[in-house]
Amino acid sequence: KQEVTQIPAALSVPEGENLVLNCSFTDSAIYNLQWFRQDPGKGLTSLLLIQSSQREQTSGRLNASLDKSSGRSTLYIAASQPGDSATYLCAGEIQGAQKLVFGQGTRLTINP
Amino acid sequence: NAGVMQNPRHLVRRRGQEARLRCSPMKGHSHVYWYRQLPEEGLKFMVYLQKENIIDESGMPKERFSAEFPKEGPSILRIQQVVRGDSAAYFCASSPQGNGNTIYFGEGSWLTVV
Repeated sequence: KQEVTQIPAALSVPEGENLVLNCSFTDSAIYNLQWFRQDPGKGLTSLLLIQSSQREQTSGRLNASLDKSSGRSTLYIAASQPGDSATYLCAGEIQGAQKLVFGQGTRLTINP
Repeated sequence: NAGVMQNPRHLVRRRGQEARLRCSPMKGHSHVYWYRQLPEEGLKFMVYLQKENIIDESGMPKERFSAEFPKEGPSILRIQQVVRGDSAAYFCASSPQGNGNTIYFGEGSWLTVV
């Protein structure tokens, strides 16, 4: 059974810092991995999708990597801004199952 | 291109009533997924549908819950005889195809059972 864990559960840093959010999964038979952002009371916004054959994806100040052999993914946020404050969720798509298994999320607060 | 549209956004039901949640996928998307987010818990998969077919309902409670995605119209998640434990945010998502595609989520429907 695939389980996804995110560490830390909450993180508070001053504006401008670079930071890394971690995601680990138990089953290396993961098809792809997706990072989402969720604002309070809102839906999920897809940030980055790392497909099975890829190792990383970049979008603006965000970079996500995937290492299937170690069962880990990281989301790197450069030069953090208060607007980055949200809950960040990683989710693995199980191969052949077409459904996502989510971590509990990291609640990120960027202090001005 | 409108995103995934869910309604109602907020719904209050008394115990024993029925709740119907609707989801219109993004234009051109034929794959629909429903997820539930219980208070202080992560999102859990419920059901995966394509037009007129339920592909995977392994995450659906065995009783009181049903889902459909008819040929015409939105996908419907139906909860009969709601109980307090059904209070949660229900998210719909869609994708153009299955595996390997970005999945787009709606804003969610928040169900409160009183």
